[in-house]
Order: sequence, then structure tokens, then C-alpha cells
Amino acid sequence: SYVLTQPPSVSVAPGKTARITCGGNDIEGKSVHWYQQKSGQAPVLVIYYDIDRPSGIPERFSGSNSGNTATLTISRVEPGDEADYYCQVWDTKSDHVIFGGGTKLTVL
Amino acid sequence: QVELQESGPGLVKPSETLSLICSVSGASISSDYWSWIRQPAGKGLEWIGRIFGSGATDYNSSLKSRITMSVDTSKNQVSLKLNSVTAADTAVYYCARDHDSWFDPWGQGSLVTVSS
Repeated sequence: SYVLTQPPSVSVAPGKTARITCGGNDIEGKSVHWYQQKSGQAPVLVIYYDIDRPSGIPERFSGSNSGNTATLTISRVEPGDEADYYCQVWDTKSDHVIFGGGTKLTVL
Repeated sequence: QVELQESGPGLVKPSETLSLICSVSGASISSDYWSWIRQPAGKGLEWIGRIFGSGATDYNSSLKSRITMSVDTSKNQVSLKLNSVTAADTAVYYCARDHDSWFDPWGQGSLVTVSS
């Protein structure tokens, strides 16, 4: 089945840019969605269809998808961005939702 | 504003059936997909399956033999049943509105512990 690979952790200083990657075979051919999950809370959608941002999500959150890697970029990182981030796709071969393993973003 | 709320027993005995309900407000369940997703403590997200308002379903193949999902349009609720549970089924269970590949919003989650 299709596999999404995320780094377990990413650390960034406040005000800097965080990039969280999501690797998958020819992932650019799929739509990638991203979720933020703060400690003890339910996940929240932050990016859908690779680049779209739901209402209420700051413009600091952006997405891209090319080749075998999708990327969630968080600009001007704030302490409140500290969370686990998950990428997700729909795999048409298996008719399954696939989640990446998650990346813990630490704001130094 | 669409809101989802999971409810059900927090403790289930091994080999018994886990039953959860997702109550939806702010939208009719008849016109959308609704997914169930679970998360064991300290681990990642696992999609369980989804149901359309008409009753059509897609299930995770690894759980398919144990899952039943249904809709109650009169109550605007979606339900999940998972039978023959083991400790490995202990997790927080979320329901979410499924926009045919992405999820928003999610319910707050319901912790289910499998233990005798």
C-alpha cells in the first residue's frame, strides 16, 4: 500500500521558517492535505488540495507538492505553532485514506 | 458552523463490540461523507472508514471484517461498531466530515479503552 514518510521531528526558532516534508512515490500526482494537532486536541485542517488554506488559518501556513515530496511551510513561526503535523492523501489504488506518521514541530 | 460530537462507552471488554455515535449539527448527514479515524495514545492517525449519507461505505481493509458503519438521518447521527475488540483497539476515536478526501471539521474525540 501507499506510504507517506515524514520526519519525526523538526525544530525551529521563533520568527524563522519551518518546513515539514511528506515523501511518497510520485506524490505530486496526488492531492495532499495537512493537519495540525496540538497536545490533547483533535486535529485541525491547515492545508488542503496541496496549497489551499481553510478560512481562519493564517497566511503563514502554505503548502507545495512536487515530484516525490510535499511540503508544509510555516513562516514566521510562533510558539503557538508547536504541534504535531500530519500529511494525508487518498490512495486510489487501495481506495484508502493514508496518513503520514506525523512530525512534531518544536519551537525553540 | 458544523460541529461533531462523539459519544459512547469509554470502557469495552476484550472480545466485545465497541459502539460509538457521532452527532452532527449544522449540516445534514444525508449529503456528505463522514469518516471515523482513530489514534492510539502517543501514536499517529489511522483511518477506519467512511460512510455516505445514503449508506454507502468504504472501510479500511485491515479492519473491514470487524467494522459496521450506519447512518440515522432522523437523528442526524453516524455510528461505528467494531467487534471482537482487543487491547490494540484502545484509542481516541474521532469522527470527521469527509470532503471526499480531506477532513474538516473533526469531533473532539472519544477515548475507548479495551480492558477486562
